[in-house]
Amino acid sequence: EPEVTQTPSHQVTQMGQEVILRCVPISNHLYFYWYRQILGQKVEFLVSFYNNEISEKSEIFDDQFSVERPDGSNFTLKIRSTKLEDSAMYFCASSEVRESGGYTFGSGTRLTVV
Amino acid sequence: GENVEQHPSTLSVQEGDSAVIKCTYSDSASNYFPWYKQELGKRPQLIIDIRSNVGEKKDQRIAVTLNKTAKHFSLHITETQPEDSAVYFCAASRTDSWGKFQFGAGTQVVVTP
Repeated sequence: EPEVTQTPSHQVTQMGQEVILRCVPISNHLYFYWYRQILGQKVEFLVSFYNNEISEKSEIFDDQFSVERPDGSNFTLKIRSTKLEDSAMYFCASSEVRESGGYTFGSGTRLTVV
Repeated sequence: GENVEQHPSTLSVQEGDSAVIKCTYSDSASNYFPWYKQELGKRPQLIIDIRSNVGEKKDQRIAVTLNKTAKHFSLHITETQPEDSAVYFCAASRTDSWGKFQFGAGTQVVVTP
């Protein structure tokens, strides 16, 4: 069964540094999403992306965050200047159509900001 | 915006008993309600979902019920097994904000043999 893959699985970065989290969505999917989960807390929506532009974003997704689909396979989340509170698990997801139902998350990237 | 409340936060059940987790939502326009299971250190996995045009859905030992009037939905797990132990999250979204799921705070389910 196709899966969403994410790299790296764990990233440690210094406060103030830029990080890029990478995701390879399922190949025929057109809608892409990022979520985050702070340790021990609920999953939070960050952003949805379709047709090379953001469809929806949450209050968390401020100017420090950006997303990009730089080629036909990758979907990236960039945090420009990381803060300690950005430490979380970041999950990518994708779906073939807009209302296809719940989708499977990627395996996640654990971001630790020190 | 949408707000989803989930109860209880922890649930301990004997193997073979049933478990029920309840969620309420605030946005009457929400029309899609998935449930996710998350084992420690792993990704959330979709286990069942329900749309607002349906009142109940069942998949083997798992069922979900939806009461649109009261704006609440519930997950029912029957004949629980130790491998059902995990954190369960409910979520809600609306068609015009697809993917913008609002998750509940989660329920830690522990099934004891």
